[in-house]
Amino acid sequence: KQEVTQIPAALSVPEGENLVLNCSFTDSAIYNLQWFRQDPGKGLTSLLLIQSSQREQTSGRLNASLDKSSGRSTLYIAASQPGDSATYLCAVNTGFQKLVFGTGTRLLVSP
Amino acid sequence: EAGVAQSPRYKIIEKRQSVAFWCNPISGHATLYWYQQILGQGPKLLIQFQNNGVVDDSQLPKDRFSAERLKGVDSTLKIQPAKLEDSAVYLCASSLTATGRNTGELFFGEGSRLTVL
Repeated sequence: KQEVTQIPAALSVPEGENLVLNCSFTDSAIYNLQWFRQDPGKGLTSLLLIQSSQREQTSGRLNASLDKSSGRSTLYIAASQPGDSATYLCAVNTGFQKLVFGTGTRLLVSP
Repeated sequence: EAGVAQSPRYKIIEKRQSVAFWCNPISGHATLYWYQQILGQGPKLLIQFQNNGVVDDSQLPKDRFSAERLKGVDSTLKIQPAKLEDSAVYLCASSLTATGRNTGELFFGEGSRLTVL
């Protein structure tokens, strides 16, 4: 059974810091991995999707890497801003678009 | 392009009552999903439709939950009777996929928050 773990559970940083969020999964047989952002009381917004054959994806200040063999992904946020405060969820696609989610990292960026 | 629409956004009911949630996916998206997100946890897949057929409902508590996707577009998720532990956010998502493809991106609605008293 696929299990996804995210560390840390919560993170508080001052504005401007570069930070790394971690995601690990137990079964390397995945099709892709997706990072989402969730604001309080809102749905999920897709940030980055990495196919199993890819090593990384970039979008603006966000960079996500994938090491399938070791069951790890990282989300790197450069020059963090207060508007980045949210919960970040990673999810692995185990086949036929079935996503298994981690419990998320709650990020607070203070001005 | 319009996103995934869900209603109602909030619902409060007493235990043993029934409730229904509605979802309209992004136009042209063949696959529709219902996820349950309990406070402090990641979303858990309840049911997945491909057009109007069920692909996966292995985690749907079928004694009280039901879902349908008539005509392969809109979907409804019903809970009857509700229990206290059903308090959660119910998220609908859709993706543009064809049979056998696994690489599509999922797009989520804003969710329907259910409180069972």
